[in-house]
Amino acid sequence: DGGITQSPKYLFRKEGQNVTLSCEQNLNHDAMYWYRQDPGQGLRLIYYSQIVNDFQKGDIAEGYSVSREKKESFPLTVTSAQKNPTAFYLCASKSTGGLEQYFGPGTRLTVT
Amino acid sequence: AQRVTQPEKLLSVFKGAPVELKCNYSYSGSPELFWYVQYSRQRLQLLLRHISRESIKGFTADLNKGETSFHLKKPFAQEEDSAMYYCALRGDNFNKFYFGSGTKLNVKP
Repeated sequence: DGGITQSPKYLFRKEGQNVTLSCEQNLNHDAMYWYRQDPGQGLRLIYYSQIVNDFQKGDIAEGYSVSREKKESFPLTVTSAQKNPTAFYLCASKSTGGLEQYFGPGTRLTVT
Repeated sequence: AQRVTQPEKLLSVFKGAPVELKCNYSYSGSPELFWYVQYSRQRLQLLLRHISRESIKGFTADLNKGETSFHLKKPFAQEEDSAMYYCALRGDNFNKFYFGSGTKLNVKP
């Protein structure tokens, strides 16, 4: 079950600490995405990147940061400025011109 | 502004009954709409897209531009259809998608 991977599956952090979630894909996709999934709120877009060295804010970017130094990697940093970081985070990718997004298995982050 | 609304958080039906998961959208242009499904302990995956006008696992969805709807339908629900379903819209930016809040379908035996 390759394609797009996220690690770790579960992550625990203390409040006030920054934490980085990994997302890697070997699909040669140009576009990559980070979503946050909360019960009753569906998927909300945090950041997306259409090409290497470029990314745009989504609807809930505050308290998050990303980088896109390589085509296959799109790490997400949850900073201490994110007021409610405990959530399930999904990464996805899509080919240029393609319609379908391919999702990773997700990372569940718990901040206490 | 683009927006996707799924009014039902939970839908429970008995096996063999028809099922309809509602999706309404707001978009000023020509929309591209999708249904994604997340089975228990599996990844979110594409179920179907309106542009293909396909039937997947017995599910169909018709785009109704007059009612701005893209409801997902299946005439006879199966227990294995139990999952979380998300409606999604691709907007002006070809790489940006908007998801609804999701509907959990529970098919009872």
